[in-house]
Amino acid sequence: EIVLTQSPDFQSVTPKEKVTITCRASQSIGSSLHWYQQKPDQSPKLLIKYASQSFSGVPSRFSGSGSGTDFTLTINSLEAEDAATYYCHQSSSFPYTFGQGTKLEIK
Amino acid sequence: QVQLQESGPGLVKPSQTLSLTCIVSGGSISSGGNYWSWIRQHPGKGLEWIGYIYHRGSTYYNPSLKGRVTISVDTSKNQFSLKLNSVTAADTAVYYCARTYYYDSSGSFDYWGQGTLVTVSS
Repeated sequence: EIVLTQSPDFQSVTPKEKVTITCRASQSIGSSLHWYQQKPDQSPKLLIKYASQSFSGVPSRFSGSGSGTDFTLTINSLEAEDAATYYCHQSSSFPYTFGQGTKLEIK
Repeated sequence: QVQLQESGPGLVKPSQTLSLTCIVSGGSISSGGNYWSWIRQHPGKGLEWIGYIYHRGSTYYNPSLKGRVTISVDTSKNQFSLKLNSVTAADTAVYYCARTYYYDSSGSFDYWGQGTLVTVSS
């Protein structure tokens, strides 16, 4: 099973700040890495698929990069509505797995 | 736009079978390139993929559930279902259904249901 490790687990940030969340895979997964945003009491929403492709309707301040074992989700010019938990997910091999999540708090 | 809606009992007794259904609207469950997944989230915890099904019936299940899972599909009703047997308190979770968009032999979860909380308790 591929283990995904996100860092940090928690981050407190101010609006307009640039945020970077990383996801490291226990083995190479190519570009089969996706990012989701989950707000309290809501279902997760796809932000970025296949490491760097933005999903339809996602604000342009969200971007993804990386391949192999190291991936990054970047949020440029953070907005208050971005307060959420962010998860990475790999679909390179079964079983599909998720990172443990990164909680973003807006100061 | 594709929408998914889970339904089923919110309370299941230990050792019994958890049964949920996901109704898909806004698109056909038989459309090519899509698989249909179940994912769960224990209270206050992260996400766990349970398994998925293709409209022709092929499935893959997470081995962590040790053979307790069955996912089925009813294309005539545009829905798919989850059965998890021999449940314990550890199966208490919010259960989500999601469309798995397949590209280049791997899938992302692009549309999700709202989730349904299932509590296992006597």
